Amino acid sequence: SAVISQKPSRDICQRGTSLTIQCQVDSQVTMMFWYRQQPGQSLTLIATANQGSEATYESGFVIDKFPISRPNLTFSTLTVSNMSPEDSSIYLCSVEVVRIGKSSYEQYFGPGTRLTVT
Amino acid sequence: RKEVEQDPGPFNVPEGATVAFNCTYSNSASQSFFWYRQDCRKEPKLLMSVYSSGNEDGRFTAQLNRASQYISLLIRDSKLSDSATYLCVVNGMNTGFQKLVFGTGTRLLVSP
Repeated sequence: SAVISQKPSRDICQRGTSLTIQCQVDSQVTMMFWYRQQPGQSLTLIATANQGSEATYESGFVIDKFPISRPNLTFSTLTVSNMSPEDSSIYLCSVEVVRIGKSSYEQYFGPGTRLTVT
Repeated sequence: RKEVEQDPGPFNVPEGATVAFNCTYSNSASQSFFWYRQDCRKEPKLLMSVYSSGNEDGRFTAQLNRASQYISLLIRDSKLSDSATYLCVVNGMNTGFQKLVFGTGTRLLVSP
C-alpha cells in the first residue's frame, strides 16, 4: 500500500475564491487521481494526473475549473477555482499501486479534504 | 442503467450474523473488481480485490460471476467494527491505469 496525506484536511471558503489542495505520497507512483465525493453520494473521478504530462479530465470537469499540477512522482495539487456552494464536497486523491505477484493494480486513498463554500 | 449498482441498505444485523452484499456492473469489458470499506467521514479503504476464482480473507469472502456481471461480498461472524459502508468498485481497463467506477455503497449496521 502507500501512505498518503492531504492538506488542508478541511476548509471553509467564500464563493469566488480558489483553494489548492495538496496530496503527498510516501513513495514514487506513476498514477495519481483526484476524486470528488458529494454529500451522500459515491466517488466521482475528476481527473488523472500523470507525472510529466497534462492531466486527463473526465466528462463534466475542465482544467479551468480544476487545474492540476504533478511536479514529481510523490506530489500533486488540485485547485478548485472560482468556487460556488455547489463545489462543497470532499476531495480525495488516490494513487495506483502495482500488486506484485497478482499483476493487478490497486488504488489507495488519501484522507480527503472537506470543503465548504459559503 | 448505472454502471455499478448496489442495494443501498442499510442492512441491520446482530453480532455474529452472516451477511451478504451483491453488486452488478454493466460494462462487460471490466477486468478488475474491488470491495472498499468507507467509515463515516473517512476515506475509502481497500478491503479486497476480487479475482475470477473468488477469494477469501479471514471472515470475508468475495465472489465474481462474469457471465452474470455480478460480484458478491460475504461477511461471516459480523463484528460491531464491521459497521460501515461497503463500496463495490469496477474498472474497465485490463492494463495500465485504472478508471474506477464506484457504486453508491451498501450500509451495514451491526448491533450488539
